[in-house]
Amino acid sequence: SYELTQPPSVSVSPGQTARITCSGDALPKKFAYWYQQKSGQAPVLVISEDSRRPSGIPERFSGSSSGTVATLTISGTQVEDEGDFYCYSTHTSGNYTYGVFGGGTKLTVL
Amino acid sequence: EVQLVQSGGEVKKPGESLRISCKASGYRFSNYWIGWVRQMPGKGLEWMAIIYPGDSDTRYSPSFRGHVTISIEKSTSTAYLQWNNLKASDTALYYCARHGSAAEYFVHWGQGTLVTVSS
Repeated sequence: SYELTQPPSVSVSPGQTARITCSGDALPKKFAYWYQQKSGQAPVLVISEDSRRPSGIPERFSGSSSGTVATLTISGTQVEDEGDFYCYSTHTSGNYTYGVFGGGTKLTVL
Repeated sequence: EVQLVQSGGEVKKPGESLRISCKASGYRFSNYWIGWVRQMPGKGLEWMAIIYPGDSDTRYSPSFRGHVTISIEKSTSTAYLQWNNLKASDTALYYCARHGSAAEYFVHWGQGTLVTVSS
């Protein structure tokens, strides 16, 4: 089955830029989306359609996609940004489409 | 305001059946895909299945097809996830979630339902 691959962990110091990647063979044709999940909470969408930021999401969150790799960038990372980040995309086999999450990346800000 | 309120936690034995629910409010239930996401203890999110209440079209992840059944009750704006033969490996937190407008991704999430399967 289709897989999206993320690094298990990323660490940055406060104020630095964090970059989290997501690799998938279908990403040249499919959008990538990014969710943040803080401990004990439901996920929150932070980036849609590769690079769109939903209302209420801080400007320091941005997304891009090139070829088979989508990237979530957090500029000026804050301690409150700690959590798990998941990329998401869809996969189409024949005329059947379903969703797929990446394995998740734990962001540590210290 | 869109709200997805899930049923409470469950403790079941292997081999038992279970149905958990997700009651939606604040929008026209028939018009948006709604689905389920699994999160095993200490692990990541896993997309399981979605259903379109307008015509009951369903999509399953290959990893979950045949193991769970997604369904809806339009009269009560409720989505369900059902197991007929629970296994210890089904122990997880299950989230109900709804797609956005004309979208293929989840925007709104329920609070999660913890299912524990243990003998």
